[in-house]
Amino acid sequence: AQSVTQLDSQVPVFEEAPVELRCNYSSSVSVYLFWYVQYPNQGLQLLLKYLSGSTLVKGINGFEAEFNKSQTSFHLRKPSVHISDTAEYFCAVSFYNQGGKLIFGQGTELSVKP
Amino acid sequence: GAVVSQHPSWVICKSGTSVKIECRSLDFQATTMFWYRQFPKQSLMLMATSNEGSKATYEQGVEKDKFLINHASLTLSTLTVTSAHPEDSSFYICSARSASGGNYEQYFGPGTRLTVT
Repeated sequence: AQSVTQLDSQVPVFEEAPVELRCNYSSSVSVYLFWYVQYPNQGLQLLLKYLSGSTLVKGINGFEAEFNKSQTSFHLRKPSVHISDTAEYFCAVSFYNQGGKLIFGQGTELSVKP
Repeated sequence: GAVVSQHPSWVICKSGTSVKIECRSLDFQATTMFWYRQFPKQSLMLMATSNEGSKATYEQGVEKDKFLINHASLTLSTLTVTSAHPEDSSFYICSARSASGGNYEQYFGPGTRLTVT
């Protein structure tokens, strides 16, 4: 079965500390991987994506993620977070034979404290 | 570029009435649009995939007669919630995929908050 799992529903962290938000997927076909951020009562903003090529992907706002095929993971990282990074983060996967549909993880609420 | 708008941004309606939500790609042509709903503190759930000029494909468990989707042009898709009930209250988000070949990215609208009283 094809699925996406975000292992942490909530991640509290202090300002300027590093953070990693975890995402694992299950698939028997090729995948395209995405991380989105959602601020309260707003739509989704793309942080970064992996389609092919280098497994280390850099995105906006200082975020990066690494595609690990053997571990079927696509964890999101930032070396130093800001208060303004407080938001909900969603990992999403598009499976090669699914017509471009995105399957979302459950979301991780990142809470940055001063 | 790649801007998607939704209208209205929020709507309150009485139980039993119908509500139409528009999704527009403003600066690109979208062969495919997707409709999602999101309950508070939950993830996005795909409701249906809409291809221009053809019938929408609904996900399992989504009532196609209740959630009518029309994709009449390459820049506009509409979702009509018919005979709305309080349990239909939710945040509805659309996304659009560019007609450009090889583009696997979806661009999301800002969402529509529906409250049924």
